[in-house]
Amino acid sequence: DAGITQSPRHKVTETGTPVTLRCHQTENHRYMYWYRQDPGHGLRLIHYSYGVKDTDKGEVSDGYSVSRSKTEDFLLTLESATSSQTSVYFCAIRKGGQRGETDTQYFGPGTRLTVL
Amino acid sequence: DQQVKQNSPSLSVQEGRISILNCDYTNSMFDYFLWYKKYPAEGPTFLISISSIKDKNEDGRFTVFLNKSAKHLSLHIVPSQPGDSAVYFCAATFSGGSNYKLTFGKGTLLTVNP
Repeated sequence: DAGITQSPRHKVTETGTPVTLRCHQTENHRYMYWYRQDPGHGLRLIHYSYGVKDTDKGEVSDGYSVSRSKTEDFLLTLESATSSQTSVYFCAIRKGGQRGETDTQYFGPGTRLTVL
Repeated sequence: DQQVKQNSPSLSVQEGRISILNCDYTNSMFDYFLWYKKYPAEGPTFLISISSIKDKNEDGRFTVFLNKSAKHLSLHIVPSQPGDSAVYFCAATFSGGSNYKLTFGKGTLLTVNP
């Protein structure tokens, strides 16, 4: 457990509406990530952040934007939601990699988003 | 182009037997590999990892083997238990990069039958 929470946990919205998902961490980790999980596709990276106001695109970034104004919060925004963005969204943090700790990512519980 | 491949979407084994989950990768720059387990309605949880300087890493019932020449790794679970039933994801990264990003396979659903 790396103190990661995601909100909301479930959301149903309509095509064309903006949606913002929030990831919050309590352990001051530098790296944060947003993934989506879809059947037949596994986990795909949307965007990631390597520090406050430092973000970069992942493999499926079209239609998504992110912001990180403080260390503990990483926001994912769908500017105009489409049905193809119906998915389960996971936030993750990077932990370890120093002083012999295993370098890995820890995931939040997920947000199930349905776009009608 | 899929850089990390898990070619078996599902696997079914009997309780007490060995489960072997396989993963292949194409990017020769990858040098650090991880396995995650995911239960329904939960986030993935880290299981075990291996660096390319090793060919085996063991943690309790879980062992990961790495064959660099074949660009292949496998996760062995011995003995398998019904609670191991989950989706297993293989992931890979290049540890020397400026940013730490994981590339995941599509996952294998393991079912352990009592």
